[in-house]
Amino acid sequence: NAGVTQTPKFQVLKTGQSMTLQCAQDMNHEYMSWYRQDPGMGLRLIHYSVGAGITDQGEVPNGYNVSRSTTEDFPLRLLSAAPSQTSVYFCASRGQGGWEKLFFGSGTQLSVL
Amino acid sequence: GEDVEQSLFLSVREGDSSVINCTYTDSSSTYLYWYKQEPGAGLQLLTYIFSNMDMKQDQRLTVLLNKKDKHLSLRIADTQTGDSAIYFCAETPDNAGKSTFGDGTTLTVKP
Repeated sequence: NAGVTQTPKFQVLKTGQSMTLQCAQDMNHEYMSWYRQDPGMGLRLIHYSVGAGITDQGEVPNGYNVSRSTTEDFPLRLLSAAPSQTSVYFCASRGQGGWEKLFFGSGTQLSVL
Repeated sequence: GEDVEQSLFLSVREGDSSVINCTYTDSSSTYLYWYKQEPGAGLQLLTYIFSNMDMKQDQRLTVLLNKKDKHLSLRIADTQTGDSAIYFCAETPDNAGKSTFGDGTTLTVKP
């Protein structure tokens, strides 16, 4: 069991570039989500999914797209990177019950110049 | 909408007890969690409590829940330098899917 795997660990982009952050889990979890973490602002939910083919917006969705074509994968796409998107990004998953804990990936440190 | 609030910083001496507080607004919150984040790492679940409980104890950790005031606390007994980390309070309404996190409390333990 690898848990939640995020790639890459570090990325530097220029303003206007696009890229995809990858997230995969091998625990057959229905729920997957993306958070960004900024100093003094805690974790803010970007997008989440409660199952394959279903996605929904979180608190800060603008500038990001997601898709969920399989249970295992939940990629996060930055369409046109902006300096305001410099942050640490975490992918997380859990089982279907609300009581179940979130499993977090190790994070992606993204810098947009 | 949902909102979870925590104080940002707490500093204690090694061996003392630490108490980290959290308030939440969603009255339908059924599951409340404490996560720990060490530097450069993702979050890991420390402990959790269901809304039908008032207290939960797990070794050095005690969670207290006041449903009337929507107040959650985490007490760490005999705090050690290895407890230095950021602690996040989180809540999940029943079957809502998404979890809402507080801003995190940075705990510093001085020798």
